[in-house]
Amino acid sequence: GAVVSQHPSWVICKSGTSVKIECRSLDFQATTMFWYRQFPKQSLMLMATSNEGSKATYEQGVEKDKFLINHASLTLSTLTVTSAHPEDSSFYICSARGQKFPYEQYFGPGTRLTVT
Amino acid sequence: GDSVTQMEGPVTLSEEAFLTINCTYTATGYPSLFWYVQYPGEGLQLLLKATKADDKGSNKGFEATYRKETTSFHLEKGSVQVSDSAVYFCALSDPLWEGGSEKLVFGKGTKLTVNP
Repeated sequence: GAVVSQHPSWVICKSGTSVKIECRSLDFQATTMFWYRQFPKQSLMLMATSNEGSKATYEQGVEKDKFLINHASLTLSTLTVTSAHPEDSSFYICSARGQKFPYEQYFGPGTRLTVT
Repeated sequence: GDSVTQMEGPVTLSEEAFLTINCTYTATGYPSLFWYVQYPGEGLQLLLKATKADDKGSNKGFEATYRKETTSFHLEKGSVQVSDSAVYFCALSDPLWEGGSEKLVFGKGTKLTVNP
């Protein structure tokens, strides 16, 4: 149980285009999902907290107009990287929080984005 | 703000060697502490956790004890296997049930390679 999927697992796009990444909780409902960014040989940095039916809460320094987050249902959150640039190339990871104590976070496998 | 510091790798051991990965934290309250593992090509998986001082988390032969006096949560395993080769992340969160935000703060990760 508690499986989280991400799609796509790997994407290459050209500068200036937009890319959408999906995060799904497959066997549980998640009121809250989190989006992280992981640079090579570095830690995961929280980008934003996504709550179903409401606006996402972004961490300081994260451009909300560039990284659009939509959490339209209890099993799906999407991250859209708009007008992508090479510096947006990274590994994006989502997690979904369980609805029962101890509210553990379950992580997706990640999406590798390369912007050329 | 909250932060996690863990020993930098990479760490290379022979099979059946003893493993210690140090982790210390800084937090204003009484956080929950976690160790996550990321196997090659996979997402993060919760390895073990502890929610209060002196708690010992354990799983798959790994152990870590929540030491409030030294603000530490060192990961240990008595005899590592080749299959333990992965990146290990120490993390903390201020849990919801204590009025925290439950956001995870990660250390930078330690890459472990176990040779046969």
